[in-house]
Amino acid sequence: DAGVIQSPRHEVTEMGQEVTLRCKPISGHDYLFWYRQTMMRGLELLIYFNNNVPIDDSGMPEDRFSAKMPNASFSTLKIQPSEPRDSAVYFCASSSGTGAETQYFGPGTRLLVL
Amino acid sequence: GDSVTQMEGPVTLSEEAFLTINCTYTATGYPSLFWYVQYPGEGLQLLLKATKADDKGSNKGFEATYRKETTSFHLEKGSVQVSDSAVYFCALSAPETSGSRLTFGEGTQLTVNP
Repeated sequence: DAGVIQSPRHEVTEMGQEVTLRCKPISGHDYLFWYRQTMMRGLELLIYFNNNVPIDDSGMPEDRFSAKMPNASFSTLKIQPSEPRDSAVYFCASSSGTGAETQYFGPGTRLLVL
Repeated sequence: GDSVTQMEGPVTLSEEAFLTINCTYTATGYPSLFWYVQYPGEGLQLLLKATKADDKGSNKGFEATYRKETTSFHLEKGSVQVSDSAVYFCALSAPETSGSRLTFGEGTQLTVNP
């Protein structure tokens, strides 16, 4: 398997623009997670899905952020409008279960909002 | 709520030195414990894990023992290499209280000099 795939790997945009991050989880994994990593706040869980259904979105910072999972092999994280404080590395991860199951992380999308 | 505390970094060692990175946790029930490693420019990947008290996880020369009496999961390696330079994250999973999320520590930056 190719692992978790994220695109784009790097994104530079201007404040106010819409940004869409994409993720393809490992085939057969039922759980998908979106994280944000910054120097100031470390690694934060934004939202996670189980069987394409959002289960916990308590980490989504505000209404400008939205996430969807239309099918088992694709998810998007959208920021509209983007702000400079959204600059971070965004990771997608997937797993086949919870508890002791390993989460497999993608390579991340490095977002810079000017 | 659940929490993970790691020793503050960064940590700088010479090649072949002994490594210890401390990790303590707070959780109800019986969490699973993990160490993830993040190499520069990459996503996190599982290094090792333990699912019950007194279990020892090991991988690539790294070891950690699940100590319930001291609520600790310290990471050790007898002889570090330059290639071990990375950020190390301690994490726990406690489905009874936190659902499917992983709770991460702050991360410890390790630099190994030749």
